[in-house]
Amino acid sequence: EVQVLESGGALVQPGGSLRLSCAASGFTFSSYAMNWVRQAPGKGLEWVSTISGSGDSTYYADSVKGRFTISRDNSKNTLYLQMNSLRAEDTALYYCAKPLAGAWRFDYWGQGTLVTVSS
Amino acid sequence: QSALTQPASVSGSPGQSITISCIGTSSDVGGYNYVSWYQQHPGKAPKLIIYDVSNRPSGVSNRFSGSKSGNTASLTISGLQAEDEADYYCSSYTSSDTLAFGGGTKLTVL
Repeated sequence: EVQVLESGGALVQPGGSLRLSCAASGFTFSSYAMNWVRQAPGKGLEWVSTISGSGDSTYYADSVKGRFTISRDNSKNTLYLQMNSLRAEDTALYYCAKPLAGAWRFDYWGQGTLVTVSS
Repeated sequence: QSALTQPASVSGSPGQSITISCIGTSSDVGGYNYVSWYQQHPGKAPKLIIYDVSNRPSGVSNRFSGSKSGNTASLTISGLQAEDEADYYCSSYTSSDTLAFGGGTKLTVL
């Protein structure tokens, strides 16, 4: 059974840092690009970042470029999101998502991990 | 990066059909067949219901269908049921190697 489980969300002060993790199981992790999507409280979905299966290619939304870094450890079947210079507008539920074969459409989502940026 | 444009809300009675539009540009919806639709119930993770414009993942009801004309994609739900009441989001790959989501549409089943 495919599962993705996020962790690492917390309350952090503006300007602070946080690293999210996503543990994956039930599929050949290294064969899939992996993704982070966030949802601010009461708001819509916002794509954050994507990383290729090998980790060689990364993609970011303009809103996080230069502040967030996506990475993966295929030996541990784990996806990461390093978040630096956090802002109040980064407050959201962060989802890890596995794509259907290929990319850019997500057939498995975790339950999300909540990041709150506030002083 | 601009979000795709969806109506904020739509409604319909049980048994009726409704259509939700998703308006983009030639750099996203109009330029690629990587349009997807997601259903999200309150407090739950999104669920993929349509991918690549008009394909349904295994297990998704055939009451859900997708189409595209020019820069506008559409999701049609036929034979509305109470459990269809949810938020619906479209997404599209873009020419900037990013993914754009629509703002979401709240479907109310009257």
